[in-house]
Amino acid sequence: GQQVMQIPQYQHVQEGEDFTTYCNSSTTLSNIQWYKQRPGGHPVFLIQLVKSGEVKKQKRLTFQFGEAKKNSSLHITATQTTDVGTYFCAGLRLGSGNTGKLIFGQGTTLQVKP
Amino acid sequence: ETGVTQSPTHLIKTRGQQVTLRCSSQSGHNTVSWYQQALGQGPQFIFQYYREEENGRGNFPPRFSGLQFPNYSSELNVNALLLGDSALYLCASSALGSTDTQYFGPGTRLTVL
Repeated sequence: GQQVMQIPQYQHVQEGEDFTTYCNSSTTLSNIQWYKQRPGGHPVFLIQLVKSGEVKKQKRLTFQFGEAKKNSSLHITATQTTDVGTYFCAGLRLGSGNTGKLIFGQGTTLQVKP
Repeated sequence: ETGVTQSPTHLIKTRGQQVTLRCSSQSGHNTVSWYQQALGQGPQFIFQYYREEENGRGNFPPRFSGLQFPNYSSELNVNALLLGDSALYLCASSALGSTDTQYFGPGTRLTVL
């Protein structure tokens, strides 16, 4: 079945350093969504990428969708302690009846040392 | 906040029991998806409901069933609970069927002893 792999699993950075997490799918995705989950919390939607090669920015966060729509990345510039959490990519798989199920990666947990 | 609510927030059950979890979708959303998130893992798709009908299912046994009501709220039922069913259960609502952004509720933490 379709799988979404995400690396690294964990990342510890010093505050001010950059951070990147990578997401790869075994099949072409309809779109990819990124979520952030704080410890003890629930996934919070960050952004959705739809077009091949798309790049979107949200302040210090830059999201990319690969040309083949099979990989994506999230880059955070100059991390802050508020960036702590687990970042998930989720590929949208369209099935019969226009079912849209999200296939989540394993997540990358970011720790930021002040 | 997304406007998606879930109840209860925490629940403790014993093996073999049955449980019902509830979700109220965001206003204007007609699609609800349920996910199971084990500790340290990403959420796994259980099933989706669209206009009161199941609209796709993940790799979960028939012990997992659901309902969607006319007001688009939803229930997840799990029968014959196993220890491995302990997890955070998340519902997510979306507006335009399946392809719209899914907004997650706070989840129900289920512990099976």
